[in-house]
Amino acid sequence: AQSVTQLGSHVSVSEGALVLLRCNYSSSVPPYLFWYVQYPNQGLQLLLKYTSAATLVKGINGFEAEFKKSETSFHLTKPSAHMSDAAEYFCAVIPSNFGNEKLTFGTGTRLTIIP
Amino acid sequence: NAGVTQTPKFQVLKTGQSMTLQCAQDMNHNSMYWYRQDPGMGLRLIYYSASEGTTDKGEVPNGYNVSRLNKREFSLRLESAAPSQTSVYFCASSEFLAGETQYFGPGTRLLVL
Repeated sequence: AQSVTQLGSHVSVSEGALVLLRCNYSSSVPPYLFWYVQYPNQGLQLLLKYTSAATLVKGINGFEAEFKKSETSFHLTKPSAHMSDAAEYFCAVIPSNFGNEKLTFGTGTRLTIIP
Repeated sequence: NAGVTQTPKFQVLKTGQSMTLQCAQDMNHNSMYWYRQDPGMGLRLIYYSASEGTTDKGEVPNGYNVSRLNKREFSLRLESAAPSQTSVYFCASSEFLAGETQYFGPGTRLLVL
């Protein structure tokens, strides 16, 4: 069964610093990978999605993620943190788009931005 | 274009009471989902509907029932609420079942006393 692990339930970075949120997955087939963001008291919205077209995926709000098959990782980065990036971030995986595989979420990483 | 809407936004129930959470989408999506979100556990799938007329259990279906009323609407029912069902419930939809981006509603915060 597929699973996804997010290292660090809480991450704090200074405004202007690099943001790095870690995600590792386990899947026996090439996966579909997602990063979602949840702002306080809101639903989730898609940041970016990997579908095997390119290993480096660019998303909204300056975020990007790189798929590394050898490391089974899909870490999320942003070069310079902004106060508005404070939110909870979820990595999610679907093993493939064949059959009835469902989206499995990681436990989330809460990002705090220090002024 | 409202996307995914959910009602109510917040509800307090006593143990044993029943209620139905409503969800509707206006994106003509085929698939719809119900998740619950609990601290430190991410989102867990309760039930989903791959297409109109079908429903299937997810990871944590016990204590819940669903109805896919039509292509737009997917409701979640708690027949006899328990404190363990205190959670935030999210409805989502996608064009098709697998590999597709899911679009989420704003959530329903449920407290069972």
